Parts: sequence; structure tokens; C-alpha cells
Amino acid sequence: AAGVIQSPRHLIKEKRETATLKCYPIPRHDTVYWYQQGPGQDPQFLISFYEKMQSDKGSIPDRFSAQQFSDYHSELNMSSLELGDSALYFCASSNGLAGNTDTQYFGPGTRLTVL
Amino acid sequence: AQTVTQSQPEMSVQEAETVTLSCTYDTSENNYYLFWYKQPPSRQMILVIRQEAYKQQNATENRFSVNFQKAAKSFSLKISDSQLGDTAMYFCALKKSSGDKLTFGTGTRLAVRP
Repeated sequence: AAGVIQSPRHLIKEKRETATLKCYPIPRHDTVYWYQQGPGQDPQFLISFYEKMQSDKGSIPDRFSAQQFSDYHSELNMSSLELGDSALYFCASSNGLAGNTDTQYFGPGTRLTVL
Repeated sequence: AQTVTQSQPEMSVQEAETVTLSCTYDTSENNYYLFWYKQPPSRQMILVIRQEAYKQQNATENRFSVNFQKAAKSFSLKISDSQLGDTAMYFCALKKSSGDKLTFGTGTRLAVRP
């Protein structure tokens, strides 16, 4: 079965640079979520999109922005990177029409290192 | 606001034995969904089991089962016949409704000893 695809898998950037993370949800999934997991931490919700519209926003810095495109893939844009942005960034997708369970399936994550 | 608490930072179990991981939560919603995710050393987040709060029957998935106590807001995970491949960080998570974000606990690191 197809899974969530994230690219790149690893990314190394310098402070103050920009980064773009991409997420391709499971086919026919209409909702995308972004989470940030710092070292030794649990995943923290950043932002979500349903049918290409932002549906919820968590603790996402103003330096970050995201969108979902017509083909349902999503991109997380991160500017003015700081050392503290080093983390594992997960994308998850779900199908809101799949009954009430609406389980989120996670991609493999993008490991961002800011030097 | 909803919260999820996992009070066991680390646990260890002998291969082939049974272990139970604890999770408590707090929410003002009457209907919600609970999940256990597994994160092995590869860091992939893998769904283990899910439970809808409106269902009284405890969910089971092969060697994994839950003890869902709605009144006590408790959602523990039981792993039977533990295998070396079960070694991972286990996160309990809660979501209010369809399309809602997941709120995670801080995780329990499980080590299965040969």
C-alpha cells in the first residue's frame, strides 16, 4: 500500500538560511498535518490543511509557512533558520471520509540540521 | 485544552512475556479517539492500535490490546508475547474529532530483553 512520502529525508542548513520540506499524502487522503519532533521530545503539531485550506494552526513560528497544492501535496517553508529548528519534521495524512476514525498515517520524516 | 500523560519514561520486558504501558488523558469532549504509535530507532511513527471513545469494546490487534476505561480517562496498552522488534518508543495520542490534530504523551521507551 502507498504511504506518505516526504522529501528530502535529510537536510543540512546554515543559520539564517531557508528550507522547503515536501510532503506527498497517501492517494485520496484529503488532510495533511505537519509535526515537529525535537530530540527526546514528543511530536508537536504545527499546522494542518483540509482540501487545500488551512484547517488548524499550532505552535508554528511566524518564520514558517505552509500550503497544500491542487494535487494535495504540501510544502513547509522555513526561513531565517535558527539552531533550535533542528528537529525531525513529520508529515501525516488522513482521509476524513473514512468513517469517524480518521487515523493519521505518518511519513518517514525529514531530519533538519541547522548549523 | 487536552492533555496526555505517560508516567513511565522507561520499561523493560523479557522476550515472550507480557508488558503493559500506561496512559491517562484529559479532555472535555465526550467523543474522541485514542491511539498508540510506535517509534522504533528508525524514528518512523507507526500506528499500533486505535480506539473510538464511543465504543465500549476494547480494541485488539494481534498481540496488542488496550484497556480503555472512559470514566477513569485511562488507555493502557498491553503487549503479549513480546518480541525483540517491539523495542521502541511508544506514544499515546488523543484527538477530538475528524480532522483534528493529535496531542501526544511524552512517550515510554520499551526495551525487550532477549
